Amino acid sequence: AQRVTQPEKLLSVFKGAPVELKCNYSYSGSPELFWYVQYSRQRLQLLLRHISRESIKGFTADLNKGETSFHLKKPFAQEEDSAMYYCALSGSARQLTFGSGTQLTVLP
Amino acid sequence: EAGVVQSPRYKIIEKKQPVAFWCNPISGHNTLYWYRQNLGQGPELLIRYENEEAVDDSQLPKDRFSAERLKGVDSTLKIQPAELGDSAVYLCASSSYSGGRYFGPGTRLTVT
Repeated sequence: AQRVTQPEKLLSVFKGAPVELKCNYSYSGSPELFWYVQYSRQRLQLLLRHISRESIKGFTADLNKGETSFHLKKPFAQEEDSAMYYCALSGSARQLTFGSGTQLTVLP
Repeated sequence: EAGVVQSPRYKIIEKKQPVAFWCNPISGHNTLYWYRQNLGQGPELLIRYENEEAVDDSQLPKDRFSAERLKGVDSTLKIQPAELGDSAVYLCASSSYSGGRYFGPGTRLTVT
């Protein structure tokens, strides 16, 4: 079975402050991890995937297999980063399992 | 490119009534997914199609839910009869075999 846990339902930070959205997973094999974002009144969209090892909109995420984590980080949060963020895991059967999401609010 | 199209965007029905959702995936995407997203939760897979074949429907409540993807393009998800607990957002997504998943805007269903 595969499971994704996002321990924080709500997270508020001030503009310019660093932000970290936590994601822990449970999976016995080698997972593929993703972060999806949903801005207000927009559809769910892919933010980044761990195999790409790229930075999107200043966000990065590193897969830590020892801690089974895939935390999303940004050194300086912007107000336009306010959104709902979902961590997701894809196992061998291409089944994508989502966490329950973290609502990020960046305060001015 | 229009992206994944879903209709209707909103639907309000009384319990025990039937309801259907329609999805048009991105052109050329052979894989189509239906997800259900309950309030405060992430999306949960209901069914996945590879072309016209349902390859993963283990999470689909088959007593009241049905889906079809005729000709391997558009898809319809049906609930009959609807129950109060079916109130949720129903998301359609599509992908090419090796590509990322693209989501539609969803249909918000309210069962009264």
